Amino acid sequence: EVQLVESGGGLVQPGRSLRLSCAASGFTFNDYAMHWVRQVPGKGLEWVSSISWNSVSIGYADSVKGRFTISRDNAKKSLYLRMNSLRPEDTALYYCAKDRESGGGDYIFDYWGQGTLVTVSS
Amino acid sequence: QSALTQPASVSGSPGQSITISCTGTSSDLVSWYQQLPGKAPKLMIYEVTKRPSGVSNRFSGSKSGNTASLTISGLQAEDEADYYCCSYGVFGGGTKLTVL
Repeated sequence: EVQLVESGGGLVQPGRSLRLSCAASGFTFNDYAMHWVRQVPGKGLEWVSSISWNSVSIGYADSVKGRFTISRDNAKKSLYLRMNSLRPEDTALYYCAKDRESGGGDYIFDYWGQGTLVTVSS
Repeated sequence: QSALTQPASVSGSPGQSITISCTGTSSDLVSWYQQLPGKAPKLMIYEVTKRPSGVSNRFSGSKSGNTASLTISGLQAEDEADYYCCSYGVFGGGTKLTVL
């Protein structure tokens, strides 16, 4: 059974940093691209970032480019999102999602975690 | 990929069929997600028409021109949820389905 478990969310002040983690199990982690998708409570879904199986291909939404960094550790079967210079508009539930494809992925998210809530507020 | 446009809401009675549109994509990599209240999204349709294993065949997808559609037939109370289309990481705004 595929499982994705996010952690690392919490309350943080504007301008500070936070690192999210996603622990994967139930599939061959290093075969698949992975993504972060966020959702402001009560609002829609927004793709945040993606990383290919070998970390060669990485992409970011314009809203986080230059502030967020995605990474992965295939040996630990883990996905990460380092978030710097956080803003109130970054407040959201952050989901880790697996891509159906390897390589750079095709942005089809076939499994999702339950999310970790990030609240940016003073 | 430009923005994808979905109706904010649709409704139907049990047993009926409803269709949710998603305008703004000519790609064949369109996927649809169901999000039940308080739950994570779930993949329902990918590559316009394909259904993942375990998804009911009451759910089907299609595309004409730059508009993709999700059809749910034999509507059930458990189908009440938010539905999102997506293409290349761009999500539609979501459609709230109400089962009357």
